[in-house]
Amino acid sequence: DSGVTQTPKHLITATGQRVTLRCSPRSGDLSVYWYQQSLDQGLQFLIQYYNGEERAKGNILERFSAQQFPDLHSELNLSSLELGDSALYFCASSEGTVGNQPQHFGDGTRLSIL
Amino acid sequence: AQRVTQPEKLLSVFKGAPVELKCNYSYSGSPELFWYVQYSRQRLQLLLRHISRESIKGFTADLNKGETSFHLKKPFAQEEDSAMYYCALHTGGGNKLTFGTGTQLKVEL
Repeated sequence: DSGVTQTPKHLITATGQRVTLRCSPRSGDLSVYWYQQSLDQGLQFLIQYYNGEERAKGNILERFSAQQFPDLHSELNLSSLELGDSALYFCASSEGTVGNQPQHFGDGTRLSIL
Repeated sequence: AQRVTQPEKLLSVFKGAPVELKCNYSYSGSPELFWYVQYSRQRLQLLLRHISRESIKGFTADLNKGETSFHLKKPFAQEEDSAMYYCALHTGGGNKLTFGTGTQLKVEL
């Protein structure tokens, strides 16, 4: 299965720390998206990259940053972590950046802040 | 600003009964809408999109611009339909999706 892969599956850390979440898109997909899913907020779009460049930004905190590398994998960096950052972080990918292209999701990384 | 509303957190129906999962949207532009589904222990996956006007696994959804709705319907629910369903709105500027909060569908025997 050459679908979207995310690592790690689970991450437990403490407040104030910094973590990096990794995403490999589906083979052939140039766009990568990051979403945050928390109990009270639902699925929230964070940021999109297309072929290495930032394409769209959502409700992403300044403490969070992302990038997409030449091999098209992407990393989401979360720093100065707070209890409220505990959530499921999803990565999705699509071929390009046209509106009606479906997004293919990974299994998510569950981040728990203690 | 764009918004997607799914008013029901949980919908419980008996097998064979009709299903309607509600979705309303707010968007000033021309909307493109999707339904995504997440079965137990599986990843979120696309169920259908309004532009295709297709029926997937017996589900259909019609875009009603007058009522700003995109309700998901199935005439006869099956046990394997039990899952979490998300309505999503694509808005311009890349391919950003705005999701509703989801509806858990439970089909009981």
